[in-house]
Amino acid sequence: QSALTQPASVSGSPGQSITISCTGTNSDVGSYNLVSWYQQHPGKAPKFIIYGVSNRPSGISNRFSGSKSVNTASLTISGLQAEDEADYYCCSYAGGSTLVFGGGTKLTVL
Amino acid sequence: QVQLQESGPGLVKPSETLSLTCTVSGGSVSSGSYYWSWIRQPPGKGLKWIGYIYHSGSTNYNPSLKSRVTMSVDTSKNQFSLKLSSVTAADTAVYYCARIGGDSSGYYKAIDYWGQGTLVTVSS
Repeated sequence: QSALTQPASVSGSPGQSITISCTGTNSDVGSYNLVSWYQQHPGKAPKFIIYGVSNRPSGISNRFSGSKSVNTASLTISGLQAEDEADYYCCSYAGGSTLVFGGGTKLTVL
Repeated sequence: QVQLQESGPGLVKPSETLSLTCTVSGGSVSSGSYYWSWIRQPPGKGLKWIGYIYHSGSTNYNPSLKSRVTMSVDTSKNQFSLKLSSVTAADTAVYYCARIGGDSSGYYKAIDYWGQGTLVTVSS
């Protein structure tokens, strides 16, 4: 069970859009529409922002959106704001009742 | 509002067993709609799923840790626990307890609530 692959860092200016990719295999991301995304600010617990590939929990801004193509899931944040600066992690069901996380992506808002 | 709180020693000696407990409030570990999980994060690194337990006591563990992990649930105290044996410095991490959505939760296999995390250091 290998970690999902995410870029180490991405950056964008306020108001812009950015996309974070999360690449797995046909044993995890490619086989299940069970990808979730989490936002983590320094020193804090992760926060749940996307489930089931593209669904937002109650209270999460519609600036956050998710998608998937074959073995790669993506998180897009539109209208970047300073408060979006954080680490972002994807997570996928990997069969056999197991979960696997991505390595995390640090988002810098310039 | 569901809240989870980790508790346990912050320092464990190498080769010993790490033991943590998660106390749940605002929700019940007896609910059939959720799984109860442990996740860890070494300092400055990413998240790693350790495993989860269902109210019935059935468990699923990360294959890479399976030989050293034991999870249990105490429905009378609304708690669940983690034991990790034969620890080394590589087990130093912030340990989070968390709730994972089950079949009827609406958030199937997503982690909707997290504890604040507790740092466990393995050192002599």
